[in-house]
Amino acid sequence: EAGVTQSPTHLIKTRGQQATLRCSPISGHTSVYWYQQALGLGLQFLLWYDEGEERNRGNFPPRFSGRQFPNYSSELNVNALELEDSALYLCASSSGTGGFIQPQHFGDGTRLSIL
Amino acid sequence: GENVEQHPSTLSVQEGDSAVIKCTYSDSASNYFPWYKQELGKRPQLIIDIRSNVGEKKDQRIAVTLNKTAKHFSLHITETQPEDSAVYFCAASPNTGFQKLVFGTGTRLLVSP
Repeated sequence: EAGVTQSPTHLIKTRGQQATLRCSPISGHTSVYWYQQALGLGLQFLLWYDEGEERNRGNFPPRFSGRQFPNYSSELNVNALELEDSALYLCASSSGTGGFIQPQHFGDGTRLSIL
Repeated sequence: GENVEQHPSTLSVQEGDSAVIKCTYSDSASNYFPWYKQELGKRPQLIIDIRSNVGEKKDQRIAVTLNKTAKHFSLHITETQPEDSAVYFCAASPNTGFQKLVFGTGTRLLVSP
């Protein structure tokens, strides 16, 4: 069974540009989560998508946004990039919650570097 | 909101020793507590999790204990091996409806041969 896949592996941008990161969940998983892992820090929750809808977002500005497609894959968009956006962006997926949080499985991440 | 504290930040042990990593959480409504292992340059890997209706869970050399009254949970690794060397993250889910995980800041475990 294929795991969570993310692309690209690395992304280099300059301040003010826009970045798009992509994630394909494990087959059968309907929920996708995005986390930011800044160098040397823990994981900070960004967004949760389920069945095509944004269900929850963390304490990040509106220039962080995304969407989930009918095939449950997801995009994370970051507009007006700032130097502090440099981080590893991790996507995770889980099966339908059924009223209980389900284990989240992570991809390898996209390392975004802002010059 | 939920806050998760993790200790120690680094832990060095000899091969064969036991290692214990502790986390405390602030939201008494939290009901799901996973642990992830992240090797250098790799994805976080779920190694064990526990729900609030269980006090302890074991999987071979790994165990997790939960004390809901004190709001803390711990990861226990017995008979450590060099391949256990990694950063370990604890997490808590503050509310079933919101599905997000709040992570601790990580523990770097080094197992020396």
